[in-house]
Amino acid sequence: DSGVTQTPKHLITATGQRVTLRCSPRSGDLSVYWYQQSLDQGLQFLIHYYNGEERAKGNILERFSAQQFPDLHSELNLSSLELGDSALYFCASSVEGLVFGELFFGEGSRLTVL
Amino acid sequence: DQQVKQNSPSLSVQEGRISILNCDYTNSMFDYFLWYKKYPAEGPTFLISISSIKDKNEDGRFTVFLNKSAKHLSLHIVPSQPGDSAVYFCALGNFNKFYFGSGTKLNVKP
Repeated sequence: DSGVTQTPKHLITATGQRVTLRCSPRSGDLSVYWYQQSLDQGLQFLIHYYNGEERAKGNILERFSAQQFPDLHSELNLSSLELGDSALYFCASSVEGLVFGELFFGEGSRLTVL
Repeated sequence: DQQVKQNSPSLSVQEGRISILNCDYTNSMFDYFLWYKKYPAEGPTFLISISSIKDKNEDGRFTVFLNKSAKHLSLHIVPSQPGDSAVYFCALGNFNKFYFGSGTKLNVKP
């Protein structure tokens, strides 16, 4: 158990819909990262938040947005969903902004868009 | 934007032998290099790391090698055990973002 909690574990929805994925980082971790893993692909970096502020953006679509709340949990919002958005979405946390480099990952949220 | 490549999708090794997993990158500005291991239905877990100032780091059966001139990272597992069977991702990056490879599925046969 990494200490990072992601909900929901599984989500099935239709094209055009909007979903929110939630992540609770390990106790004490200030950084939250979101990654997308499509079928047979690597982990694509989406976005990094540190103590409520956006720190870095990767290949995140404009239809996607994220935020980190004062209690440090984070949400990833995916809107106008397309079939290609079907993927495993991972959240990871670390103590600081990768000074050491170790990320602790949740078990992921599997999104299926039909 | 494939800054990190793991060219071998899979690798099969006999128990007790050495497993060598490779990773190539294009961006010479990376500071940190890590390996993660992933079992089915679980998130990736950190395995071992190396910073750009070193060329080797050992932790038990796991050794990571960094060849900066060749922009190449490798993970050696010796001796390999059946419990090592998993998908291995290399991850490279800087302070705020890390890029992951597509993973190599290692199968260690008893």
